[in-house]
Amino acid sequence: DAGVTQSPTHLIKTRGQQVTLRCSPKSGHDTVSWYQQALGQGPQFIFQYYEEEERQRGNFPDRFSGHQFPNYSSELNVNALLLGDSALYLCASSLRDTYEQYFGPGTRLTVT
Amino acid sequence: QKEVEQNSGPLSVPEGAIASLNCTYSDRGSQSFFWYRQYSGKSPELIMSIYSNGDKEDGRFTAQLNKASQYVSLLIRDSQPSDSATYLCAVNIYTGGFKTIFGAGTRLFVKA
Repeated sequence: DAGVTQSPTHLIKTRGQQVTLRCSPKSGHDTVSWYQQALGQGPQFIFQYYEEEERQRGNFPDRFSGHQFPNYSSELNVNALLLGDSALYLCASSLRDTYEQYFGPGTRLTVT
Repeated sequence: QKEVEQNSGPLSVPEGAIASLNCTYSDRGSQSFFWYRQYSGKSPELIMSIYSNGDKEDGRFTAQLNKASQYVSLLIRDSQPSDSATYLCAVNIYTGGFKTIFGAGTRLFVKA
């Protein structure tokens, strides 16, 4: 049973650039949520997708956008990168109407 | 007031002791509560979920929920050095759909 996968593992970008992170949910799951985790902090909710639509959004600017594909995989896009966007980006999947989420290994983004 | 609050620790307990981790939340409408374990450099791993007042036991772990006091706790019996990690409390908040709010986590050290 494949768990949640994310790519790439690590990424280094320059301020002002754009980045795309990818996530494949656990087999059987249809809902994907994205989180940003800064060092020493808990994960911060960015947004959640199911049925290919953004259903819930946290307090993140419009520079953060996403997409969900028919196979339930998802992308997180961040435009105009800032130094403060450096963090671990986590994807979690769940089955709609259940609440237990399973996390992927994360993508470590460094903005220089 | 933060939506989910935890003592950052570190909490240090000797091997074989009971570790007690606490969490308070601000949204009285919350219905779903979770504990995640996160090892350094890894992603969060779901260890317990609880939805009703009272205790829920799973092996060495017991989650306790008191909705009237807006309080969730996690007890780890017979603590082992391998339990040393950051424990994240998470609460689902319903805003037309649910989003998950995490606390900042409590660092636990189990001394051999």
